[in-house]
Amino acid sequence: DGGITQSPKYLFRKEGQNVTLSCEQNLNHDAMYWYRQDPGQGLRLIYYSQIVNDFQKGDIAEGYSVSREKKESFPLTVTSAQKNPTAFYLCASSIYRESEKLFFGSGTQLSVL
Amino acid sequence: EDQVTQSPEALRLQEGESSSLNCSYTVSGLRGLFWYRQDPGKGPEFLFTLYSAGEEKEKERLKATLTKKESFLHITAPKPEDSATYLCAVLYNFNKFYFGSGTKLNVKP
Repeated sequence: DGGITQSPKYLFRKEGQNVTLSCEQNLNHDAMYWYRQDPGQGLRLIYYSQIVNDFQKGDIAEGYSVSREKKESFPLTVTSAQKNPTAFYLCASSIYRESEKLFFGSGTQLSVL
Repeated sequence: EDQVTQSPEALRLQEGESSSLNCSYTVSGLRGLFWYRQDPGKGPEFLFTLYSAGEEKEKERLKATLTKKESFLHITAPKPEDSATYLCAVLYNFNKFYFGSGTKLNVKP
């Protein structure tokens, strides 16, 4: 079955540590996204990529980095510069065309030790 | 400021008790309004897209409607398995969305 796979499901970060969240899709979608979800708030866009080797900052990109070396993969690194990283992180993809729905992965819960 | 507001934040219904969830938006240049269902600890799952005022979409016990300022998700005779958080999202630019904070629905048997 086609879909988006995020790993790990749970992740713990120590002070000063960088951690990487994995996102893989086999939907052949061009566009991929990373969102952050905090309790009581709407999803907020961290980064998005419309094609391989290209990506743009979203509304809350500070303290995060991404890469898009393959169409299927869009990993997110939470750096030590992100002072409040505890959140539920969602990866999504869509066909590179306006007004297309998002397909989401099952999320990664990141917590600080 | 462009924004999307969902109400109520939480809704508790008895099985079979119909109700509606609201999504109001102040985004100019709406390009589409999306409804998603999210179960605890999982990613949102697409339900509907609405593009113009007056449009309606239905799926089982759910019906979504759209006006120029808001959208409603009507739930008819809900069942316990309809319990979830329902998210509304407004497409305002190419592949860019404003998300509401969701309505957490709990349907008791």
